[in-house]
Amino acid sequence: QQQVKQSPQSLIVQKGGISIINCAYENTAFDYFPWYQQFPGKGPALLIAIRPDVSEKKEGRFTISFNKSAKQFSLHIMDSQPGDSATYFCAASISGGYQKVTFGIGTKLQVIP
Amino acid sequence: DGGITQSPKYLFRKEGQNVTLSCEQNLNHDAMYWYRQDPGQGLRLIYYSQIVNDFQKGDIAEGYSVSREKKESFPLTVTSAQKNPTAFYLCASSLYTSGGITGELFFGEGSRLTVL
Repeated sequence: QQQVKQSPQSLIVQKGGISIINCAYENTAFDYFPWYQQFPGKGPALLIAIRPDVSEKKEGRFTISFNKSAKQFSLHIMDSQPGDSATYFCAASISGGYQKVTFGIGTKLQVIP
Repeated sequence: DGGITQSPKYLFRKEGQNVTLSCEQNLNHDAMYWYRQDPGQGLRLIYYSQIVNDFQKGDIAEGYSVSREKKESFPLTVTSAQKNPTAFYLCASSLYTSGGITGELFFGEGSRLTVL
């Protein structure tokens, strides 16, 4: 049972364009939604995260949009650059005790010049 | 610099052999985790540990074993019972906060295991 569904699995975007990755979750108890960025041969690293009490969070060119009623959240990368080419994972977890993080299947982004 | 060190980075194993992957952290984190990464399947949790001498099975624990004798160390053994062990293995750690683990994981650079 996939608790966090992520799409698309792969994405090709022109340099300067907007990259959009979508995720949906089922468990309404989730209250922390991070995005991780992974370069080939490396471990993932936290990129940006949001809690459900806000609808949007922006850090530089990266923005998370969150729709609590639809149980969906998305990552937008503005002015995409070749250096953004990586695999992106959305995730969800529950605060209040030790809980494991549930990841989406990942999106491989390629930004072409 | 603080971080998570995984070794070896690449490992080849013959069928029927056990292999142990090392994970050491100097972040003073309480919790540690092992994930397996396969193309198109994301990150799947194998085992996690909240404190020393305690650990819990994740979603795909069959064929794996762990130990947590020290706070800094959480080795993973891939046993011969694991049917499809070829994968990229990631170790992670996180802080414990008063509100519980926030979900912010710090990952090592991974170990790629290939079974010949």
